[in-house]
Amino acid sequence: QQQVKQSPQSLIVQKGGISIINCAYENTAFDYFPWYQQFPGKGPALLIAIRPDVSEKKEGRFTISFNKSAKQFSLHIMDSQPGDSATYFCAASIGDSSYKLIFGSGTRLLVRP
Amino acid sequence: KAGVTQTPRYLIKTRGQQVTLSCSPISGHRSVSWYQQTPGQGLQFLFEYFSETQRNKGNFPGRFSGRQFSNSRSEMNVSTLELGDSALYLCASRRTSTDTQYFGPGTRLTVL
Repeated sequence: QQQVKQSPQSLIVQKGGISIINCAYENTAFDYFPWYQQFPGKGPALLIAIRPDVSEKKEGRFTISFNKSAKQFSLHIMDSQPGDSATYFCAASIGDSSYKLIFGSGTRLLVRP
Repeated sequence: KAGVTQTPRYLIKTRGQQVTLSCSPISGHRSVSWYQQTPGQGLQFLFEYFSETQRNKGNFPGRFSGRQFSNSRSEMNVSTLELGDSALYLCASRRTSTDTQYFGPGTRLTVL
């Protein structure tokens, strides 16, 4: 019940296309859902995060869509660029314990020029 | 503002040895969390420290321990190393008034 399931494992998108990564969870106590981006040799960096009181959050080319009833959330990268090629992780945490993130398994995104 | 720093960046140890990794959080951040990243298990929470106290621990054996100093710097220790402990160990710091965790570059531990 503590798992966060992420798909797909890998994704290839053409430059300018839309990249979509999906995550699903079981524990309804989760109330903080961040997405992290990780480049090789670097630590994960926060991209965007959402709480269940909103269904969508947009920051630049990155959008989180959140479906509370389905217990799913997704990351959309609009106008994908080669520089977006990285591994993306969804995560979830509970209440005041946002320091304890439960991560998805990661999606390796490759954006072709 | 300097980011989270971790030392050393790379370590090679042999089975049975012990290792200590260090993390310096962003100035003003009092919460420090540690994660283990492996290809097989992904990113897993190890433990979190706040005001020199461990508040939460993940599902790891007692060989994994840590501590935090009064300046918020943190160390984690792994004793009696096993081959399966080979991983990237990540430290993250957080200002307690926010949710955002900032990760360091990690320490790559290889156990031979």
